[in-house]
Amino acid sequence: AQSVTQLDSQVPVFEEAPVELRCNYSSSVSVYLFWYVQYPNQGLQLLLKYLSGSTLVESINGFEAEFNKSQTSFHLRKPSVHISDTAEYFCAVRGSNMLTFGGGTRLMVKP
Amino acid sequence: DGGITQSPKYLFRKEGQNVTLSCEQNLNHDAMYWYRQDPGQGLRLIYYSQIVNDFQKGDIAEGYSVSREKKESFPLTVTSAQKNPTAFYLCASSMTGQPRSGANVLTFGAGSRLTVL
Repeated sequence: AQSVTQLDSQVPVFEEAPVELRCNYSSSVSVYLFWYVQYPNQGLQLLLKYLSGSTLVESINGFEAEFNKSQTSFHLRKPSVHISDTAEYFCAVRGSNMLTFGGGTRLMVKP
Repeated sequence: DGGITQSPKYLFRKEGQNVTLSCEQNLNHDAMYWYRQDPGQGLRLIYYSQIVNDFQKGDIAEGYSVSREKKESFPLTVTSAQKNPTAFYLCASSMTGQPRSGANVLTFGAGSRLTVL
């Protein structure tokens, strides 16, 4: 069985400040890791993914995440957030079979 | 443009009624999924289908039913047996196969919000 824990349900931050959204997982097999973003009343969009290779993965809008096998983590970071980053972010893991989602973290960027 | 279309976007239902949510994709994906989203609980898998005429129960299938008669379509019926159906429902699709090939990278529809009156 696999599980995903997003440690913070809400993260308030001021515009242009750095942010880290935490994600920890448990799995008995090798994993593939994902971050999805959801804007209000919309579906989820893939933000970035780790399948293999470099443990640091980046998205086109400045987010990055690092796969840390020893700490079973896949935290999402951005050095300077924008108002438009306000959304809910979901970490997901695929182990042996289906995708499992975390509970989500609502990022609230304040001016 | 390829994508997933869910309808209706908003739906109101009286207690005791069945309702069907539509999900259509033109991505040529083999696998399709239905998730339920409740505040603070993330996404929970209701049903999934990896091939036409076959589908599997997810974590919270009770009170729901699906069919997969065509590759493009995966409708979800919320039956009167579902005790707490008010939620946001998301349909998704993906390729099948190994993750490194792109499988399990889900494409989502915009969702359907069901409210039971």
